[in-house]
Amino acid sequence: AQKVTQAQTEISVVEKEDVTLDCVYETRDTTYYLFWYKQPPSGELVFLIRRNSFDEQNEISGRYSWNFQKSTSSFNFTITASQVVDSAVYFCALSEAIQGAQKLVFGQGTRLTINP
Amino acid sequence: NAGVMQNPRHLVRRRGQEARLRCSPMKGHSHVYWYRQLPEEGLKFMVYLQKENIIDESGMPKERFSAEFPKEGPSILRIQQVVRGDSAAYFCASSTMQGGPYEQYFGPGTRLTVT
Repeated sequence: AQKVTQAQTEISVVEKEDVTLDCVYETRDTTYYLFWYKQPPSGELVFLIRRNSFDEQNEISGRYSWNFQKSTSSFNFTITASQVVDSAVYFCALSEAIQGAQKLVFGQGTRLTINP
Repeated sequence: NAGVMQNPRHLVRRRGQEARLRCSPMKGHSHVYWYRQLPEEGLKFMVYLQKENIIDESGMPKERFSAEFPKEGPSILRIQQVVRGDSAAYFCASSTMQGGPYEQYFGPGTRLTVT
């Protein structure tokens, strides 16, 4: 069965610090997709990134970067020079194929608090 | 291009009443997913529907919950005889199946409170 583990329940750092959110996944599929979503206090889900299992290149988008390592089944997310607006719950998710479409399996989330 | 719409955004029901949650997918999307987020937890898949078809309902509770996605109109998640444990945020997502991968676009969610 698919599983996503976000071992860090809560993280609190001071503004401008770098912070890494861990995500470890389990799957038997050879083709799968990994996602990160942000849920700010307002409650909506904001898509951050999608990565397929064949692309292990790290990705950088502004202050955000992602490190995908298939050998350790991890897809970690780093925020550089954190800001108060980064405070949110962050979810890592894994796709599970259903008849060609995708069912997302979410981790429990990491609540990130950036203190001024 | 309007995103995924969900209404109502907040719904309060007394125990025993029915709750109806609506989801209008993005234009051109014919696939809808419902997820439930219990307090302090991650989202859990409930059901996946295409127009007029339920494809996978493996995450739906066996009783009181049902979902539909008619040919015309929004997808509806219905909860009959609600109980306190149904209090949660219910998210709908939609996608298209024109090649893969199919990014799921989430709506803002409906927060159901059962009193």
